[in-house]
Amino acid sequence: DAKTTQPPSMDCAEGRAANLPCNHSTISGNEYVYWYRQIHSQGPQYIIHGLKNNETNEMASLIITEDRKSSTLILPHATLRDTAVYYCIVRSNTGKLIFGQGTTLQVKP
Amino acid sequence: GAVVSQHPSWVICKSGTSVKIECRSLDFQATTMFWYRQFPKQSLMLMATSNEGSKATYEQGVEKDKFLINHASLTLSTLTVTSAHPEDSSFYICSASKSLSTDTQYFGPGTRLTVL
Repeated sequence: DAKTTQPPSMDCAEGRAANLPCNHSTISGNEYVYWYRQIHSQGPQYIIHGLKNNETNEMASLIITEDRKSSTLILPHATLRDTAVYYCIVRSNTGKLIFGQGTTLQVKP
Repeated sequence: GAVVSQHPSWVICKSGTSVKIECRSLDFQATTMFWYRQFPKQSLMLMATSNEGSKATYEQGVEKDKFLINHASLTLSTLTVTSAHPEDSSFYICSASKSLSTDTQYFGPGTRLTVL
């Protein structure tokens, strides 16, 4: 299963864009990149996923590099409620999600 | 859409007793459900994968006789922690997807288990 590397923590000013990087250099051609976030003492919340193309939904945008070895999750206008642990996961062909330590994003007023 | 519920949200039990946790997909049929465990300040750890109507597949190191999983319908999976001990105290989270390999997993809110 492809592993991911994320910075352990990041800060972002409220109202600014939050850009969360993720490296997944061993990703295989048919493996998807998924992003979830977990607010304290809650279950993870699905954010977005992608294979090759950049994706956008009402929550965020996902930018995947052409070689697919890294990606960036963008929260366009971070709010205090976006403070959470963000997990970048490469979903294996078995469908399993193997969670790493994620990035703790702290949005500050 | 894609709502997953868990019941109970928290439970306290005595050592040696068994506890059952339910996971339900409320607005879709879940062919596959997953069970995770999360200790304080740690990430989620996958315990097992269950497919409707078949036996669960457990991850290495997870005791199948201690953590009984039943996935009898397309909307319900249960995890029973048998003969619970204080070290089983944890946050148990389930997720559900329409199919194993191609669909997004949606997570429940979690169940906090405390064993005294």
